[in-house]
Amino acid sequence: DAKTTQPPSMDCAEGRAANLPCNHSTISGNEYVYWYRQIHSQGPQYIIHGLKNNETNEMASLIITEDRKSSTLILPHATLRDTAVYYCIVRVERSGTYKYIFGTGTRLKVLA
Amino acid sequence: DGGITQSPKYLFRKEGQNVTLSCEQNLNHDAMYWYRQDPGQGLRLIYYSQIVNDFQKGDIAEGYSVSREKKESFPLTVTSAQKNPTAFYLCASSITSRSSYEQYFGPGTRLTVT
Repeated sequence: DAKTTQPPSMDCAEGRAANLPCNHSTISGNEYVYWYRQIHSQGPQYIIHGLKNNETNEMASLIITEDRKSSTLILPHATLRDTAVYYCIVRVERSGTYKYIFGTGTRLKVLA
Repeated sequence: DGGITQSPKYLFRKEGQNVTLSCEQNLNHDAMYWYRQDPGQGLRLIYYSQIVNDFQKGDIAEGYSVSREKKESFPLTVTSAQKNPTAFYLCASSITSRSSYEQYFGPGTRLTVT
């Protein structure tokens, strides 16, 4: 199954853009990339997803490289409330069933 | 409000006892998932189910069992065979489709076995 690799931790100054990288070099052509975040002891919260094209929503932007082997989640103006663990996930299909493969996550700390 | 309910939030059991964690969703989602999370770690897939009366093992299914008798319910039993059951357990659901749909997560159950 496709595997994702993320840096274990990052810091970002409040108000600046946070750029979180993810490597998914074994991803297949029809497998989507998802990003979630988790604040301590809560269920993960959906942020954004994409297949080939770059995506943007009210929370973040997702940049996927042309070869799809890596992606970057961008939080354009990080706030203290964005401090969380961010997970890069690949959705894998096997015989009509779908499972979501979580990476180990990046612990983002937004500094005042 | 639509969503996923997990109960209880905290659960304590003695070693050697089976324990069942509840997961209910009213989102009309076909697929449901169970994950385990250990301190400082990511989520690992235990079991998942795409339709009623069918489920598949995830990466760490040993010592766990599930059932899917109703679309809205996917209970997880942690058996006495699970060597290290103390963990945070998360249930999720999603629409099953080739198109992309995100997973929705419940609030989790923190199980402590002593």
